[in-house]
Amino acid sequence: EDQVTQSPEALRLQEGESSSLNCSYTVSGLRGLFWYRQDPGKGPEFLFTLYSAGEEKEKERLKATLTKKESFLHITAPKPEDSATYLCAVQARSSASKIIFGSGTRLSIRP
Amino acid sequence: DGGITQSPKYLFRKEGQNVTLSCEQNLNHDAMYWYRQDPGQGLRLIYYSQIVNDFQKGDIAEGYSVSREKKESFPLTVTSAQKNPTAFYLCASSSPGTGPGELFFGEGSRLTVL
Repeated sequence: EDQVTQSPEALRLQEGESSSLNCSYTVSGLRGLFWYRQDPGKGPEFLFTLYSAGEEKEKERLKATLTKKESFLHITAPKPEDSATYLCAVQARSSASKIIFGSGTRLSIRP
Repeated sequence: DGGITQSPKYLFRKEGQNVTLSCEQNLNHDAMYWYRQDPGQGLRLIYYSQIVNDFQKGDIAEGYSVSREKKESFPLTVTSAQKNPTAFYLCASSSPGTGPGELFFGEGSRLTVL
């Protein structure tokens, strides 16, 4: 069964303290892995797509990387405005129309 | 500005009542989706539609119904058959060039059953 597991469930950092969020996946052939940001009470906002192991994408203080079993979202020198829940999702090669979401990591950055 | 509009933002329902959540998009996207989000769980797919007048069940379709009479609109009805309808409902769309992984989401509708 295809599965996505995110860790940790919650992470509290001091402003400027870099860290990484993990997304482990089990899927029968990966078509794509996706990262989203979700603010409280809002819909998720798309961040990145990764297709193959070794690929990296960057946006401001965020960098997403991909291996054959997991993806990391690295946050460098975070600011309080980076506080949000970060969601990971995967699409299997066998699925043309659906993706599977993890339960997310709730990130809090203290000033 | 293009986007997805969901309404109402908050909705309260008595047990046994059907309710309809509205979703309208002006992104000219063919594909539209409905997801349900519960605390501590990932988003789960309820229904999706890739073209007008056609839709498919997702992973948790029981107790829900949809229609797709116009490209811009994809309303979701939560019926009295849905055993645990209290949740945050999210509508999304995607363009053919990006597939189901790069989704544009609305702001969500929070349904509470009293």
